[in-house]
Amino acid sequence: NAGVMQNPRHLVRRRGQEARLRCSPMKGHSHVYWYRQLPEEGLKFMVYLQKENIIDESGMPKERFSAEFPKEGPSILRIQQVVRGDSAAYFCASSYNGRGARSNQPQHFGDGTRLSIL
Amino acid sequence: SQQGEEDPQALSIQEGENATMNCSYKTSINNLQWYRQNSGRGLVHLILIRSNEREKHSGRLRVTLDTSKKSSSLLITASRAADTASYFCATIPRNSGNTPLVFGKGTRLSVIA
Repeated sequence: NAGVMQNPRHLVRRRGQEARLRCSPMKGHSHVYWYRQLPEEGLKFMVYLQKENIIDESGMPKERFSAEFPKEGPSILRIQQVVRGDSAAYFCASSYNGRGARSNQPQHFGDGTRLSIL
Repeated sequence: SQQGEEDPQALSIQEGENATMNCSYKTSINNLQWYRQNSGRGLVHLILIRSNEREKHSGRLRVTLDTSKKSSSLLITASRAADTASYFCATIPRNSGNTPLVFGKGTRLSVIA
């Protein structure tokens, strides 16, 4: 499967624990986006990363949330000291914006991680 | 606030009928994209229309864009039960590069066999 891979698909945490969500972009894609979706809502942008760089984190809560996209390995969205309000579906998308690419390439989405906080 | 707002919020039709969904947005855009989301899955890119285009076709899909009214429509012809999903419009603001998409709340389409 050459698509965007997210794991785990479902994650259950108790209040105060840490949640780590992983995203492997499509092969050849160097741009990763994280979105959050509440029930019956659209996706809300959280953070945009390229390899080893955070490009735009304007949608990230100021505290407890962090993201990285290391040179090797998947992108990680980390939520510390989770609270009930963090329960949501978290989606990762990737796009190809390398040399020769036209602007505004479509984003390809993973199937998401559904985070439930007890 | 939401950049894109889809209308209607929910739509139920019989198999074989056409389904029309509308999207309105607030600011000038580079392009507008439509995505489909099946229950419990991620979003699937359907079609992208640039700000200098007025209409685009892809199979049974037809998208129009009216930049003067800041609106777009997605038409699915000869609908099938498998078209049942939520449909979202998403925009890239004008003069933006590779920036994140801004999504509306979606239209939930139910196609009854």
